[in-house]
Amino acid sequence: QVQLVESGGGVVQPGRSLRLSCAASGFTFSGYGMHWVRQAPGKGLEWVAVVWFDGSEKYYADSVKGRFTISRDNSKNTLYLQINNLRADDTAVYYCARSPSQLMVTLDSWGQGILVTVSS
Amino acid sequence: SYVLTQPPSVSVAPGKTAGITCGGDNIGIKNVHWYRQEPGRAPVLVISSNSDRPLGIPERFSGSNSENTATLTISRVEAGDEADYYCQVWDSSSDHVVFGGGTKLTVL
Repeated sequence: QVQLVESGGGVVQPGRSLRLSCAASGFTFSGYGMHWVRQAPGKGLEWVAVVWFDGSEKYYADSVKGRFTISRDNSKNTLYLQINNLRADDTAVYYCARSPSQLMVTLDSWGQGILVTVSS
Repeated sequence: SYVLTQPPSVSVAPGKTAGITCGGDNIGIKNVHWYRQEPGRAPVLVISSNSDRPLGIPERFSGSNSENTATLTISRVEAGDEADYYCQVWDSSSDHVVFGGGTKLTVL
């Protein structure tokens, strides 16, 4: 069955960097677009970024552009999110999710999420 | 940037029908997807492409989309349907995923 497992979260000081990982299994990873979506405590879902199949196309939310970098390693079935210069408002649960197509961008499977807390 | 507007809350009695709306400029020409999220859990896709139900989603869940409003309809509402519901589209003009603000469904 499809599994997406995030890791790499935790408590981080403001200004530091962090790399989140999402290990995928149960499907052909290279055949799917992969997203990061975050949710601040008590708030709604906020899309962060997408990387399409071979990693050549990447798009970011305006709120994270320039500080966040999404990438993927299809040989390892793993998605990454590099977050630099962390700020307090980056505190959130970060989810990875997959999309089957660029023509129909639906997020049909999600990981369980990983909490990132930015605090001194 | 494209904006999706949802009511913050909807209340419905058990056994009745709940409608959750998602407003957007000419949203009728876009594919709208809906997610359900229980507290502390990851979102789950309940309707894709306006009206398609993924495997395992009860027939009580349906969707429609026309002009400036998409609607998620839950028939014969049960206590277990209490959750937050989010609509989502892909904005091709900006290459961004856009979520609505979410609607908390309360079963009275």
